[in-house]
Amino acid sequence: GIQVEQSPPDLILQEGANSTLRCNFSDSVNNLQWFHQNPWGQLINLFYIPSGTKQNGRLSATTVATERYSLLYISSSQTTDSGVYFCAVEGFGNEKLTFGTGTRLTIIP
Amino acid sequence: DTAVSQTPKYLVTQMGNDKSIKCEQNLGHDTMYWYKQDSKKFLKIMFSYNNKELIINETVPNRFSPKSPDKAHLNLHINSLELGDSAVYFCASSIRAGQETQYFGPGTRLLVL
Repeated sequence: GIQVEQSPPDLILQEGANSTLRCNFSDSVNNLQWFHQNPWGQLINLFYIPSGTKQNGRLSATTVATERYSLLYISSSQTTDSGVYFCAVEGFGNEKLTFGTGTRLTIIP
Repeated sequence: DTAVSQTPKYLVTQMGNDKSIKCEQNLGHDTMYWYKQDSKKFLKIMFSYNNKELIINETVPNRFSPKSPDKAHLNLHINSLELGDSAVYFCASSIRAGQETQYFGPGTRLLVL
């Protein structure tokens, strides 16, 4: 099956800093989503981005499908950004999401 | 006006018991899913239903039986609970199967003693 690797596994930053989270995948995909799991366990969909670039406030994401990676950018981090960020992908002809192992982000005041 | 809801939120039970988790979505979506998140936070799909029909059934013990009475509901029944079943179970839904944004419920934290 498709493999999904996320890096770094852990990231600790001061409030106000910028960060880049990476997701590499092993095969072509027709679905890629970024999720934020907050400290209370809720999974929030951030982006549906199988290719291209999207922005939503301080967050943006870019997927380069031909090179099999996606990046999530967080600017001017806030403590509420803390949590685990997951990348999930779906290969062609395979209608299920495979999740990466996540990046745990901790923002220190 | 919760989009995807699950009950119960917490479930503590003894080994060997049978329990059910319920999920409902009011988004009008055709496809619903069950995921399991283990203690290391790894998320893995278990089942998927599209318009009440099972379309994904991962290698899950047959003690786990999903049931979709209608396309807005997907329940998960677990027989003969084992210690290793302790996890957080998430329900999710999407407009249709494949290539769509998935929306997750709040999760059910199951602890088997």
